[in-house]
Amino acid sequence: GDSVTQMEGPVTLSEEAFLTINCTYTATGYPSLFWYVQYPGEGLQLLLKATKADDKGSNKGFEATYRKETTSFHLEKGSVQVSDSAVYFCALSRNNNDMRFGAGTRLTVKP
Amino acid sequence: SAVISQKPSRDICQRGTSLTIQCQVDSQVTMMFWYRQQPGQSLTLIATANQGSEATYESGFVIDKFPISRPNLTFSTLTVSNMSPEDSSIYLCSGWGGETQYFGPGTRLLVL
Repeated sequence: GDSVTQMEGPVTLSEEAFLTINCTYTATGYPSLFWYVQYPGEGLQLLLKATKADDKGSNKGFEATYRKETTSFHLEKGSVQVSDSAVYFCALSRNNNDMRFGAGTRLTVKP
Repeated sequence: SAVISQKPSRDICQRGTSLTIQCQVDSQVTMMFWYRQQPGQSLTLIATANQGSEATYESGFVIDKFPISRPNLTFSTLTVSNMSPEDSSIYLCSGWGGETQYFGPGTRLLVL
């Protein structure tokens, strides 16, 4: 079945460091791919998405490119801030059906 | 986009009791789902809430324990029945709008 594998956390970075959170997926066909963020004590918010191969999703300085050949959707940000501290979830969905989530990666950014 | 609200936002309950969580969407969505997020873990799908018919449950979840209603396109309820401490979790409602799934803020449940 469909599944998502995320980089194990937690990840701790200094402010302005470069961030990469790896995400790979297993699915038949062409799923849509998502990154969600969960700030402490809050629900999930959509961060970015890509619906077809080679699409790049971007938002708030974060980017991820849908790579069909490597079945990956790695999240990157060039310069993280303390306010980016949160848990990040990679997810996939086929045909706007239910989502499959990765395990989540906790990011802590220190000043 | 869709904005999803949930009530209550949190509750503390005694074992053996039941709690009903309400989910309201501000616009019509095609699909609605209920997820559980146990402390420090990812989201697990409980069921798909179907309008006007019985919900579709994932493996490991049953209607007697988690009855779900969806009387219209913008409202759904999840009941956690005969609760035990193992049911302590965050319960999230979600809905598909366009090409995106939106999530409610979650209901934080603690069972003593």
